[in-house]
Amino acid sequence: NAGVTQTPKFQVLKTGQSMTLQCAQDMNHNSMYWYRQDPGMGLRLIYYSASEGTTDKGEVPNGYNVSRLNKREFSLRLESAAPSQTSVYFCASSYSATGGRETQYFGPGTRLLVL
Amino acid sequence: GEDVEQSLFLSVREGDSSVINCTYTDSSSTYLYWYKQEPGAGLQLLTYIFSNMDMKQDQRLTVLLNKKDKHLSLRIADTQTGDSAIYFCAEGGDTGRRALTFGSGTRLQVQP
Repeated sequence: NAGVTQTPKFQVLKTGQSMTLQCAQDMNHNSMYWYRQDPGMGLRLIYYSASEGTTDKGEVPNGYNVSRLNKREFSLRLESAAPSQTSVYFCASSYSATGGRETQYFGPGTRLLVL
Repeated sequence: GEDVEQSLFLSVREGDSSVINCTYTDSSSTYLYWYKQEPGAGLQLLTYIFSNMDMKQDQRLTVLLNKKDKHLSLRIADTQTGDSAIYFCAEGGDTGRRALTFGSGTRLQVQP
């Protein structure tokens, strides 16, 4: 099993450009998450998907959209990138998001620089 | 809202014990977690503790939970240079709330 995979690993964008970050998991997990990590701020939840066909906003959703394409894939789109979106983006998945032990498995991250 | 706080930095000598502390505010948290992040990598689950437990031991790792004070700690015995990383405390698991709330991470530096 590859676990959680993310593409691309690195990306440089100009302000106003758009891009989609891809995430896939092969663990048959129901729930998937997108976080951003900024220095000294830990991980902040952008969006999550509790199950295929559903998505919900997290703590910092502004400027982002998501698509749960199927059970395996959860993409994050920046429609018009801004320098404030320079960050490391992590995708994660877990078996269930409805309480109980919520072990999340993380991808290796995408480092995004917006100029 | 929920909040999880950690100290930013800890430096120890190889072979010593490390203790990383965390406080949280959500008394309804069901599970508390410790994740490890090595440079340039994602987060890796180290261990977790259920909220009705006081202590959990897993090889060199000992987790202590003081639910009354909402205080969680991770003790690493015989700390090695390979333990140098950022350690994140996280809480969650109560019914109806999705995802986890993470602390800002504690950078552990192990001096040879």
